[in-house]
Amino acid sequence: KQEVTQIPAALSVPEGENLVLNCSFTDSAIYNLQWFRQDPGKGLTSLLLIQSSQREQTSGRLNASLDKSSGRSTLYIAASQPGDSATYLCAVRPGVGNYGQNFVFGPGTRLSVLP
Amino acid sequence: IAGITQAPTSQILAAGRRMTLRCTQDMRHNAMYWYRQDLGLGLRLIHYSNTAGTTGKGEVPDGYSVSRANTDDFPLTLASAVPSQTSVYFCASSGLAGRGNEQFFGPGTRLTVL
Repeated sequence: KQEVTQIPAALSVPEGENLVLNCSFTDSAIYNLQWFRQDPGKGLTSLLLIQSSQREQTSGRLNASLDKSSGRSTLYIAASQPGDSATYLCAVRPGVGNYGQNFVFGPGTRLSVLP
Repeated sequence: IAGITQAPTSQILAAGRRMTLRCTQDMRHNAMYWYRQDLGLGLRLIHYSNTAGTTGKGEVPDGYSVSRANTDDFPLTLASAVPSQTSVYFCASSGLAGRGNEQFFGPGTRLTVL
């Protein structure tokens, strides 16, 4: 069974710092991996989607990398801002033929960026 | 409508009552999902539908049912609510191939069962 973990569980940084959030998964046979942010009391907002054949994806100040062989993905946030404060979740879609097409979510990293 | 809408936003329900949570998407996505999110347990899949007319069970399906009569709507029904079903419920949708795999979420329904 695919399991997804995220380290750290919580992170507090001063504004302007570059930071890295980590996501690990136990089964490397994934179809893709998606990063989300969730603001308190809100739904999930998609940030980046990485297909299994890709190594990284970039959107603005965000860069997500994928290393399937080691079961890891990182989300890099450059020049962090207080508006980046949220919970960040990663989710993997297992490869077709293994567990169907349903995402497995990590528990999230709660990020606080202090002004 | 833009994206996914859910109704109601929140609901307080007496145990034993029947409740249907509504979900509608306007992106013509094939696949739709229902999750519940609980503190300490994260997001767990309840039911899913890969295309109109088909449904499947997720990780925690007991006490819930779904239907998918058309592409846009995916209601979740609690036949006889119990307090353990107190949670935040999220509906999501995605395509089935390539870039279309990206999953999009609705704003959620906060349900309290007393």
